[in-house]
Order: sequence, then C-alpha cells, then structure tokens
Amino acid sequence: DIQMTQSPSTLSASVGDSVTITCRASQSISSWLAWYQQKPGKAPKLLIYKASTLESGVPSRFSGSGSGTEFTLTISSLQPDDFATYCCQHYSGFSITFGQGTRLEIK
Amino acid sequence: QLQLQESGPGLVKPSETLSLTCSVSGGSISSSSYYWGWIRQPPGKGLEWIGSIHYSGSTYYNPSLKSRVTISVDTSKNQFSLKLSSMTAADTAVYSCALSSKYSSGPNCFDPWGQGTLVTVSS
Repeated sequence: DIQMTQSPSTLSASVGDSVTITCRASQSISSWLAWYQQKPGKAPKLLIYKASTLESGVPSRFSGSGSGTEFTLTISSLQPDDFATYCCQHYSGFSITFGQGTRLEIK
Repeated sequence: QLQLQESGPGLVKPSETLSLTCSVSGGSISSSSYYWGWIRQPPGKGLEWIGSIHYSGSTYYNPSLKSRVTISVDTSKNQFSLKLSSMTAADTAVYSCALSSKYSSGPNCFDPWGQGTLVTVSS
C-alpha cells in the first residue's frame, strides 16, 4: 500500500503569511494527488487535484506543486478563513490513501 | 447541484454489521463517469478510504478493510450502500459518502461529500 506522510502536523501562522505544507508518498504516484481543506464538523472541501489543478471556485492564493513522491500545498497571504486542517490524498491504481492532516492554526 | 446524504444507525453493537445508505439527489447515480465512495474519520484522526463503486457494480476496496466491506448500488433508488461487518470500537468514526468525478478510469478525488454521520460502536 502507498503511504502518504504530511508535514508538519501542526503549523502556526498569522494572517497575511505564506505557508507551505508537504506531502510525501512512499512510492511514485505521478501527479495523482489532491488537497482538501477541512473545518470542524464539516465535510472536506476539494482544493486541488492532479497535484496542481485548482478546483473551480477555490481562491488563487492556494497552489499545489510536485510529482512523483513529493508534493506541496502553498497558501499565500493567509486569510482568517484559511485556518483549518489540510489533507492530501493519493488516487492511483484503484487505491486511495489520505495523509494524516496538517492543522493550520493562528499564531 | 449534486447532493449526497448518509442515513443509518448512529449506534452499533460490537460484532454486528453496520449498514449505511447514501442517497444522491440533483443528478443520476448511473453516470458512466462517476464513482461513489465511502470514507470514514475516527474522532481526532485522519481520513480513511473504505471503498468505491461504479454504477455498473464494479467495486474497489481498501485492502485493510476488504474482508469486512460490501458496497452496493441501487440505481432505481439513486442510492448506494455500505455494509461493514464484525464492528469493533476501532470502527467508531464519522462515515461519509462522496463522489469521484474528475476521471472516468476509476475512483479518484472526492467532491462533493455528504455531511457525514457519526457511528459509535458500543454495547
């Protein structure tokens, strides 16, 4: 099974900051990676798929990059609404695995 | 706009089988490009994919749960269902259904999701 490892597990930042979250796959997954935002008690929201494609309606301050085994989610100019948990997900070979999540908190 | 809604018991006894249904509205479950999935999240933990199904009946399961999982689809009711047997406390989680539609070649990323339903395993 492919394992997805996110870092850091918690990230503290301020409004206006730029932050980067990393997701590493235990083997190459090409670009078959998605990023989600999740808030307490709410369903996850798809932000990015195919590693770098922004989902419709998602602000352009969110961006994704990477391929193979290392991927990043960058949020530039953090807004108050961005403080949430972020999770990566691989989807390939009829298999799906999620990362453990990164909690982005206000400093 | 397509919407999903989970239904089923909130409390299951150890060793019993969990049965959940996901009702789809605002679109047809029978689209050839759609894969319908179940995902769970134990309290305070990360997301875990349980499995997915295509309206044709093709199923895809998480290997770690495969021996206990059955996912089925009822196109006449625009619903799909999850059965998870031999439930234990470790299966306590919020169970969510969701749609994969970005690619037609198999389960992929999920959007939208249902609101999720908390299932507690306790005697």
